[in-house]
Amino acid sequence: NAGVTQTPKFRILKIGQSMTLQCTQDMNHNYMYWYRQDPGMGLKLIYYSVGAGITDKGEVPNGYNVSRSTTEDFPLRLELAAPSQTSVYFCASSYSPGGGGYTFGSGTRLTVV
Amino acid sequence: GQQVMQIPQYQHVQEGEDFTTYCNSSTTLSNIQWYKQRPGGHPVFLIQLVKSGEVKKQKRLTFQFGEAKKNSSLHITATQTTDVGTYFCAGPPGETSGSRLTFGEGTQLTVNP
Repeated sequence: NAGVTQTPKFRILKIGQSMTLQCTQDMNHNYMYWYRQDPGMGLKLIYYSVGAGITDKGEVPNGYNVSRSTTEDFPLRLELAAPSQTSVYFCASSYSPGGGGYTFGSGTRLTVV
Repeated sequence: GQQVMQIPQYQHVQEGEDFTTYCNSSTTLSNIQWYKQRPGGHPVFLIQLVKSGEVKKQKRLTFQFGEAKKNSSLHITATQTTDVGTYFCAGPPGETSGSRLTFGEGTQLTVNP
């Protein structure tokens, strides 16, 4: 049982480049989330999904896009990377939106130069 | 919107001292959850409290949910170097767990050996 798997673990992007952060879970959770965490700071919600085919914006969606074609996968797309997107990105999933705990992936550390 | 505040933001203790972090929500929560994030790691779900006034223990950690279900605390007795990390509280607003979690900004604990 792998839980939530994120790839890649580290990435350096140049300004203006694009990339997709991959996230997959094997717990059959309907709810999935993308957070970013800047150094020494808390978690900011970028996008979330309540099930396959349904996504919605969180607090800080600008510069990002998501899709949810299957229950398992929830990729995050960065278009035209900017230095302000340098952060650690965490994907999470849960059985319920507010109960039972979120399971987080190990994160993707992204640097935009 | 709902706000979840945690104090203190940072806490530095000598090994063996006790530690407490407090969590306060602007609205009533259906439950309170606590997470631990080790340096360089990802948040890991520790526990969920649901009932008003509930107290739960995990070895040296004691978690409490306030009577009004708007505040919570985490107390660590006789800290060890393995307790180092950031502790986040989180909760969904309202009477049920049907809303997403709002995370506090976390309390960063460092322990001097």
